[in-house]
Amino acid sequence: EAQVTQNPRYLITVTGKKLTVTCSQNMNHEYMSWYRQDPGLGLRQIYYSMNVEVTDKGDVPEGYKVSRKEKRNFPLILESPSPNQTSLYFCASSLYRDVASGYTFGSGTRLTVV
Amino acid sequence: GIQVEQSPPDLILQEGANSTLRCNFSDSVNNLQWFHQNPWGQLINLFYIPSGTKQNGRLSATTVATERYSLLYISSSQTTDSGVYFCAVVDTGGFKTIFGAGTRLFVKA
Repeated sequence: EAQVTQNPRYLITVTGKKLTVTCSQNMNHEYMSWYRQDPGLGLRQIYYSMNVEVTDKGDVPEGYKVSRKEKRNFPLILESPSPNQTSLYFCASSLYRDVASGYTFGSGTRLTVV
Repeated sequence: GIQVEQSPPDLILQEGANSTLRCNFSDSVNNLQWFHQNPWGQLINLFYIPSGTKQNGRLSATTVATERYSLLYISSSQTTDSGVYFCAVVDTGGFKTIFGAGTRLFVKA
């Protein structure tokens, strides 16, 4: 089944403790992206990647890192999480950056930083 | 950057009613998509529609790129249509995606 898999689905952590949210897709998509969703703000793009070793900042990259060493994986790294990073996170992928085929989203990761 | 505004922010319908959701964007875009987020948080792609009109069952969408807006039509609404509807555009550089704040729809049985 074609899908984007995120892990974990839920995570509660403490301020400053490094964490990684994994994202993997099995559709051979070039384009992958991370979003955070906060009430009243819709989804905001954190980082995106157009292919292996090619990443760039979205609208809200502060406090996050990403890497794209393999085509299928695009982990999101929070080196020193803070409470303002409490949010619902989504990973998405598409065949081309022009997303003619449309995005496929993961199921989301709800992160709470205390 | 591009601004995306959706209206109305909230909508309550009786089952069977029709509705129109609107998405305005402030600049030229490469493409536009409509998504549905169901009450369990899952995001589903509805339409990729940079221009013109598309239909899929009870849903249809129209984008008038020259006037910078898109409309999503829901006919004969069902309770399963409840959730949040987002439109998203990609800037002309072709890399960044900007979402609107969404329209929250509740369909009553």
